[in-house]
Amino acid sequence: KAGVTQTPRYLIKTRGQQVTLSCSPISGHRSVSWYQQTPGQGLQFLFEYFSETQRNKGNFPGRFSGRQFSNSRSEMNVSTLELGDSALYLCASSLTGPPDTQYFGPGTRLTVL
Amino acid sequence: AQSVSQHNHHVILSEAASLELGCNYSYGGTVNLFWYVQYPGQHLQLLLKYFSGDPLVKGIKGFEAEFIKSKFSFNLRKPSVQWSDTAEYFCAVNGGNNRLAFGKGNQVVVIP
Repeated sequence: KAGVTQTPRYLIKTRGQQVTLSCSPISGHRSVSWYQQTPGQGLQFLFEYFSETQRNKGNFPGRFSGRQFSNSRSEMNVSTLELGDSALYLCASSLTGPPDTQYFGPGTRLTVL
Repeated sequence: AQSVSQHNHHVILSEAASLELGCNYSYGGTVNLFWYVQYPGQHLQLLLKYFSGDPLVKGIKGFEAEFIKSKFSFNLRKPSVQWSDTAEYFCAVNGGNNRLAFGKGNQVVVIP
């Protein structure tokens, strides 16, 4: 089975721009979770989707949004980028969602200048 | 909301030494507990998990963890580390909702 894929792998943006990141889960997995990973804060939960519905959301401002499509692929969007948004964004898929085992993708490295 | 604390963020030790990484969580209800590992250049992957039953759980590559409910702890151990155990280790907790809360991680470096 192919693993979780994320595109693009690297992004460089400037402050004020917006960005869209994509995640394709393992085939058959209906849950996709997103995390922000930074050296100081570790992994912080952004949101989780299951069958196109957001079931849980972390403590991030409204500039962070996401969605899931009928094929379980998910996108997250960050608008009005700030320097502090520079991070590795990870997505994880699972059959039914946490606590089911999460399978992580390689991440998208976002740099905001 | 659940939260996770990991101590001793950076750990350096020699091959064959024993490793123990502490993990404490704050959540009053039933929890599911995990340790994930991120080897250099690789994806984050599950090392072991505890849902219920025997509080001593065994995972891949000789790792084990013990759940002590009274101490809200889920410490990870390996009796004898190898150079290939160099990685970042994350403890995570799920409190029955659709999210995982991660600790900030332990960077472990094993010197040959």
